[in-house]
Formats: sequence, C-alpha cells, structure tokens
Amino acid sequence: DTAVSQTPKYLVTQMGNDKSIKCEQNLGHDTMYWYKQDSKKFLKIMFSYNNKELIINETVPNRFSPKSPDKAHLNLHINSLELGDSAVYFCASSNIAGGLHEQYFGPGTRLTVT
Amino acid sequence: QKEVEQDPGPLSVPEGAIVSLNCTYSNSAFQYFMWYRQYSRKGPELLMYTYSSGNKEDGRFTAQVDKSSKYISLFIRDSQPSDSATYLCAMRVNNAGNMLTFGGGTRLMVKP
Repeated sequence: DTAVSQTPKYLVTQMGNDKSIKCEQNLGHDTMYWYKQDSKKFLKIMFSYNNKELIINETVPNRFSPKSPDKAHLNLHINSLELGDSAVYFCASSNIAGGLHEQYFGPGTRLTVT
Repeated sequence: QKEVEQDPGPLSVPEGAIVSLNCTYSNSAFQYFMWYRQYSRKGPELLMYTYSSGNKEDGRFTAQVDKSSKYISLFIRDSQPSDSATYLCAMRVNNAGNMLTFGGGTRLMVKP
C-alpha cells in the first residue's frame, strides 16, 4: 500500500496552461505539505495544511493555489504556467498531533513547462 | 548564504568504506534534525531523526548533532552499492508549523 501517492507522475505542458497535481495519504496524518525541488536538488516548502487549514504559506506566486478537501488530500493548482515552474513537486505528510514530526514524502510529480 | 549548507559531492567510495556526510547550519533555533535518502527519481525517505544534541544509531547508520558548532553528521558503516543515493539533511525549529529547512543534498556513489 502506497503511503503518500501523487498523480500524475509526469506532466508536460505549455506555458500559459493551468494544471493540477493531486496528493493523497493513507497514513492518518493530520498535516500535509507541498515542496518544490529544483534542478539543483534543493527542496523548498511551499505550503502546509493542518486539519485542512493552511498553516504555512511561503513566498510562492499566487498562481499556485493549494486546496485540501479533507485531511487525507492536498491538491495543488497552478495557473498560467511559466518555464520557471519546471521542477519536481513533492507532497509530504506528518502527524503533528501525534507528536510524530517526521515527514513522509510521495514519489513526486515531474513538471516540465515548454 | 543558505541557512543549511551541504557539500553536493559527488562522493565516491569503495564498498565497505565508512562514509561521513555533513551539514552546517546558521540558525541556532533549529532543534530537530533529520537525514533523508533520495534515490534517483524517487521521493526522499526518512533515515534518521534526532532531537537536540547527541548521537543516535540505527543499524549501519549513526547520526550526530553538535549544536555548539552548528554541525550535523551522518555516518554509514560498511557502505553498500545500494547506499548510492543523494542524502539530504533537514532541520526545523520547535514550532507548530513543522516547517523543514533542507540542505541541497550530497550525492553518494558506493562502488562495488
């Protein structure tokens, strides 16, 4: 059973398009995250949701909009895609209320904007 | 200067060698320290998790934290080709947001 899953795994699209990435976790965790990993492997937090509430919102263009329909899902919608958005996007989850601060990552979505 | 610095490597060692991977950081408020392993085209996988200073051992892996020097290390004993991956250190302050700050990763290659 996959703990943190993301769809799609690969996404190739043109500049200006709008796309969504979906994430689901079956670990019963209360907190979910979106990270961006650039070509130099730096992982940077974008957003975090705890019990469906936004708790971290780093300096990210407002073309990026996260949505958490429930504790097990966190989606990322990107409007007006730009070349610089090309990266690997990782979803992660953790259980803050349970005192487990370790974050578990999904397999990533490799986004290529042409 | 980034908050967390890590030599990108690559670090190439023969099978069986002891590997030392390191990170330095500038924020003295960091309290929780983690090491993640990331295989090519996969998500990071948590290896070790340490609170505050000291050592922690798990099988062939030992994590060390020296808060006075703002320096953390991961040692891998009897390294195997399957240990070839990128190793990312991560750390965070003690707040409810649980925001991790990552190093850029060190690529390790263990040659048979």
